[in-house]
Amino acid sequence: GDQVEQSPSALSLHEGTGSALRCNFTTTMRAVQWFQQNSRGSLINLFYLASGTKENGRLKSTFNSKESYSTLHIRDAQLEDSGTYFCAAVSTGYQNFYFGKGTSLTVIP
Amino acid sequence: EAAVTQSPRNKVAVTGGKVTLSCNQTNNHNNMYWYRQDTGHGLRLIHYSYGAGSTEKGDIPDGYKASRPSQENFSLILELATPSQTSVYFCASGEGTAGTQYFGPGTRLLVL
Repeated sequence: GDQVEQSPSALSLHEGTGSALRCNFTTTMRAVQWFQQNSRGSLINLFYLASGTKENGRLKSTFNSKESYSTLHIRDAQLEDSGTYFCAAVSTGYQNFYFGKGTSLTVIP
Repeated sequence: EAAVTQSPRNKVAVTGGKVTLSCNQTNNHNNMYWYRQDTGHGLRLIHYSYGAGSTEKGDIPDGYKASRPSQENFSLILELATPSQTSVYFCASGEGTAGTQYFGPGTRLLVL
């Protein structure tokens, strides 16, 4: 089965609002990375976390290895935030990342 | 910012033909990866490498070979392309073991 489960699969936000995207893990992970895939298909690094919380502008991410989840919070959503957001995580004892299937975000004017 | 480039960016191939996708990185990262992205599957790992001369099988290696002739270059080879290999292929380089990955722009491959 899938080791990384992302939710929701799709999300619509009005400009200026916010929400949280979540990844749940079915095994213990030691690091997580979040990406945005934009309309041109490019994968943009957002965060890499081995633990705790990181913040960058309107984005904030948390990784809780013990409880097997990670979240990406978006506040004050802008049109350019539209795209697909992926999390990828690497399990203990393994070296490569497993990707979730993504959350498709649409920001509405 | 990390720099990973891929060529070609778009490719149309015929069934049974040989296809080579190339990736170059200027980050001096030891680790490099090839993924494919298909609707409903996210990204799936095909092959990876720990350094020049090494290649390892990922989660879906069947039908693909890889070559890492130098620190900077990592190729993905489809010896006998099939329509099921139509996809978008991404190359990435990574900081150490399980470190941050940096992706190239992707290659769209259509096998007719």
